[in-house]
Amino acid sequence: EVQLVETGGGLVQPGRSLKLSCVASGFTFNNYWMSWTRQAPGKGLEWVASITNSGGSTYYPDSVKGRFTISRDNAQNTLYLQMNSLRSEDTATYYCTRGGGDYWGQGVMVTVSS
Amino acid sequence: DIQMTQSPASLSASLGETVTIECLASEDIYSNLAWYQQKPGKSPQLLIYDASSLQDGVPSRFSGSESGTQYSLEINSLQSEDAATYFCQQHHDYPPTFGGGTKLELK
Repeated sequence: EVQLVETGGGLVQPGRSLKLSCVASGFTFNNYWMSWTRQAPGKGLEWVASITNSGGSTYYPDSVKGRFTISRDNAQNTLYLQMNSLRSEDTATYYCTRGGGDYWGQGVMVTVSS
Repeated sequence: DIQMTQSPASLSASLGETVTIECLASEDIYSNLAWYQQKPGKSPQLLIYDASSLQDGVPSRFSGSESGTQYSLEINSLQSEDAATYFCQQHHDYPPTFGGGTKLELK
């Protein structure tokens, strides 16, 4: 059974940093691209970052480029999202997804507020 | 960025009815479209990929189709458990973009 379990969310002040983790199980992690997608409270979905299966290439939308970094540890079956210079508009539930989204984690809430 | 215009934003239907949700892409996305179902407090679940392929385990009352840059999700014989919000997503080009969502309510 494919499982994606995110951790690391919480309340953080504007301008500070936070790192999310996603532990994957039930599939061969290093065979798949992985992504993060977020959803602001009561709003739609926004893709945040993707990484190739080897970790050699990464992709971001303009809204987070230069502030967020996606990475992975294939030996530990773990995906990461380092979020720097956080803004109030980054407040959302962050989902780890396999590839383009055939499997999603349960999500982790990030609140950016003073 | 490719814009996905999803309609309607909400709809109400009765058990057993058939409903259709549509997404219009701002340019050709070559069938690179997925449909997701999201229930309150839960993560999205993939229903349809490549515009018309049914994800494993998804009931056959869900189907997807396309006509040019217009993509449709049809739900036949509505069941109570189909009450949810539905999203389309294009993954033809970066950034992947989502429609605004359709909230389906069962009468």
